[in-house]
Amino acid sequence: KAGVTQTPRYLIKTRGQQVTLSCSPISGHRSVSWYQQTPGQGLQFLFEYFSETQRNKGNFPGRFSGRQFSNSRSEMNVSTLELGDSALYLCASSLDGTSTDTQYFGPGTRLTVL
Amino acid sequence: AQSVTQPDIHITVSEGASLELRCNYSYGATPYLFWYVQSPGQGLQLLLKYFSGDTLVQGIKGFEAEFKRSQSSFNLRKPSVHWSDAAEYFCAVVITGTASKLTFGTGTRLQVML
Repeated sequence: KAGVTQTPRYLIKTRGQQVTLSCSPISGHRSVSWYQQTPGQGLQFLFEYFSETQRNKGNFPGRFSGRQFSNSRSEMNVSTLELGDSALYLCASSLDGTSTDTQYFGPGTRLTVL
Repeated sequence: AQSVTQPDIHITVSEGASLELRCNYSYGATPYLFWYVQSPGQGLQLLLKYFSGDTLVQGIKGFEAEFKRSQSSFNLRKPSVHWSDAAEYFCAVVITGTASKLTFGTGTRLQVML
């Protein structure tokens, strides 16, 4: 079974631009979560989607948004990029996103904002 | 709010030596606990998890962890470290009964001396 895939793996953008990251979950998984990883703040939860609905949200500004499609693939969008948005963005999928569900992580998208 | 503390930022051990990585959590009830490992440039891989039952949990790659309620700890152990274990290790917690929103510790970077 293929794992979680994320595209692109690397991105370079400039301040003020917007960016869209994509995540394809493991086949059969309906929950997709996004995390931001930075040296200063560590791993932080962004949001979780289940059946095309945002079910849980972390403490990030509205510039960070996401969506999920009917095939469970998910995208996250960051608008008006800031230097501090430079990070590794990790996507994780699980069967139904319950607290006992194991989350499987993708390799991440490394975003650099110049 | 729940939190996870990993007091050791960086640990160095010799190959073949035993390893213990510390993790303490702060939460009123028993949370669900996880250990993940991240190799450079990679996503997170689940090593083991604890939900209930036997407090000694076996994981992949020869790792085990022990849940101690009295100490609010979930320390990761390995009897004999291999050079390939060099990576960053994250302890994480999920509040029981909620959607899967992982709260991570700050991580412990393991260096293995040959």
